[in-house]
Amino acid sequence: IVMTQSPLSLSVTPGEPASISCRSSQSLVHGTGRTYLDWYLQKPGQSPQLLIYLGSNRATGVPDRFSGSGAGTDFTLKISRVEAEDVGVYYCMQPLQTPYTFGQGTKLEIK
Amino acid sequence: DVQLVESGGGLVKPGESLRLSCAASGFTFRGYAMNWVRQAPGKGLEWVSSISNTATSIDYADSVKGRFIISRDNADNSLTLLMNNLRVEDTAVYYCARVERFETAYYGMDVWGQGTTVTVSS
Repeated sequence: IVMTQSPLSLSVTPGEPASISCRSSQSLVHGTGRTYLDWYLQKPGQSPQLLIYLGSNRATGVPDRFSGSGAGTDFTLKISRVEAEDVGVYYCMQPLQTPYTFGQGTKLEIK
Repeated sequence: DVQLVESGGGLVKPGESLRLSCAASGFTFRGYAMNWVRQAPGKGLEWVSSISNTATSIDYADSVKGRFIISRDNADNSLTLLMNNLRVEDTAVYYCARVERFETAYYGMDVWGQGTTVTVSS
């Protein structure tokens, strides 16, 4: 399954919203009806961290300004109000079937 | 604290082998599947291998299949990646990550180690 993200980079003013798109080459709907799509953030110099699992579930400790949506093959990560600490590279990933695959990454910078 | 600590990285020549380890602490290791994910210098993330909590299900990326072997010791709370016949393109930071995953449940790779660097060069 090929994962395609857009844009590959974006520059956002603090307090403004941001949106990242992820498209999969085939449906990510599991037999349970749930959508198998994760979002990860890799901050500069750090290991990746889980933001969203199953398309829209925030991981423990993730601020509610982050939200995930979408279905089938089209997904979106939204940050309602970007903060300086949100800089880094955002990846979508499909854990539906092996080989699990990541998008190319979207680099978020602060203006 | 919940923690994963990788070790075993280093500089090796093409064709040589390396064994990576991931030590788990602060949680019930046998309750979680585990993944290895790598990141080549300046590149994105690439899933390498996964092993279920009981080691009954194992998968590999095509790029490492037949060369890498994943294993775990639930008594010792440890995960291992044996890498044979290493290639220059295997050069990367290797992360281990835990995932709570069963047939009808999935909660993402919620804990990652700090990574260990593997460099393959002649």
